[in-house]
Amino acid sequence: AQSVTQPDIHITVSEGASLELRCNYSYGATPYLFWYVQSPGQGLQLLLKYFSGDTLVQGIKGFEAEFKRSQSSFNLRKPSVHWSDAAEYFCVTMDSSYKLIFGSGTRLLVRP
Amino acid sequence: EADIYQTPRYLVIGTGKKITLECSQTMGHDKMYWYQQDPGMELHLIHYSYGVNSTEKGDLSSESTVSRIRTEHFPLTLESARPSHTSQYLCASSGGQGWGYTFGSGTRLTVV
Repeated sequence: AQSVTQPDIHITVSEGASLELRCNYSYGATPYLFWYVQSPGQGLQLLLKYFSGDTLVQGIKGFEAEFKRSQSSFNLRKPSVHWSDAAEYFCVTMDSSYKLIFGSGTRLLVRP
Repeated sequence: EADIYQTPRYLVIGTGKKITLECSQTMGHDKMYWYQQDPGMELHLIHYSYGVNSTEKGDLSSESTVSRIRTEHFPLTLESARPSHTSQYLCASSGGQGWGYTFGSGTRLTVV
């Protein structure tokens, strides 16, 4: 069965520092992969998605992610974090029945 | 702008009351979903629909029910609310496997 794993429950970075959130997927074929962000008490917002083509995907708010088949990874990156980026980040895949499969999430804390 | 709307945003209600959480989308998506999310936790699928008059139970057992009489509308009903139903309920719709989901802002339900 398809799954995604986010090994980091919490990550703390200083404002202006670079960020990388890890995600590993489990699926034989090329998966559909997404990163969503959830601010406290809010719904989820799609940052970016990958389903084929260029393995480096650009998203909103300055985020990007790289699909690496050899490592079964889809890590999210941002070169310079802003205080407003503090939120919960979910790596997500979609199964053949169009249902989303969520990772457990990584909570990002930003130090001033 | 096309979007997905959930009402109410917050609801505090007494035990035993019947409630309906509203969800509407203007994107013409056939696929709609309800997720339940406890604070700080991942999302769990409780209901989904692939079109009018189609509803299915999700991976997490729920005492709620849903209906899909119109494409744009996917309400969730609790016949008799209990404190164990206290949670955030997120509605989403999807245009297909490569498009991800669009989420509403959620309804935060508290049953006292």
